[in-house]
Amino acid sequence: QVQLGQSGAEVKKPGASVTVSCKASGYTFTRYYIHWVRQAPGQGLEWMGVIYPSGGSTSYAQKFQGRVTMTSDTSTSTVYMELRSLRSDDTAVYYCARAEYYSDFDIWGQGTMVTVSS
Amino acid sequence: QSVLTQPPSVSAAPGQKVTISCSGSSSNIGNNYVSWYQQLPGTAPKLLIYENNKRPSGISDRFSGSKSGTSATLGITGLQTGDEADFYCGTWDSSLSAEVFGTGTKLTVL
Repeated sequence: QVQLGQSGAEVKKPGASVTVSCKASGYTFTRYYIHWVRQAPGQGLEWMGVIYPSGGSTSYAQKFQGRVTMTSDTSTSTVYMELRSLRSDDTAVYYCARAEYYSDFDIWGQGTMVTVSS
Repeated sequence: QSVLTQPPSVSAAPGQKVTISCSGSSSNIGNNYVSWYQQLPGTAPKLLIYENNKRPSGISDRFSGSKSGTSATLGITGLQTGDEADFYCGTWDSSLSAEVFGTGTKLTVL
C-alpha cells in the first residue's frame, strides 16, 4: 500500500527550528517528487516547496526562501523538512504529498501539527 | 494570499448537483492543468480530479472537472451527506514558480 508516514506533533518556541519527516512506502521512492504543503488553523492550503529524492534537487516558495531546507535519505525513503526562525504564524499542520512532477498530489501524509508558542 | 478565487461556501440538498468555481489568470489556470482536492474534517486533502478532468482510480464518477480559459469548475452530482467537506483547486503558477491553491469552498449538504 502506497503511504507517506509523517513524524509526530511538535511544540516549539519562537526563534527555534523544527524538522518534520515523511517516510515513503509501497512505491519506488526515487521516481516521485515530494511536496510540502501547510495549513494554518482554519485556513487554506499553502505550498512550501518540493524535493526530488533522486539527486535531491529542491525548489522553494519565495516566502520560505532562506528559512526552509528539504532533504532526502534514499536509504530510508525519508524526506525531511526543516523550518527555522519559527514565528507564531508558522503554527500549522504540515503535510508532505507525492506527485509525478508538479501538481496532482495523489498521496498525502497524515499531517504533522507544529505549534509555535512562548 | 491565494491567487485562485473560489466561493467561500456552496450548499444543496441530498441528491442534487452543485458546482464550485475556481478563477485564476493566464499565469496559472490559463496555461496549466488544474487539480481538485477534497478535505474532510480533520483529515488530509484527497485528490479528486487531475489534469482538469481526469479522476484517479477509486474516485466516484459523481465528481467531474472542467476548464475554460482562466477558470475551472468542479461538479458534484447525486450529493450525499458524506460529501460535506472543504474543496480546493490547485495548479502551477508559471510567474510565481509555485504551486498555488484556491481559497477553498465549504460544501454543505442540507
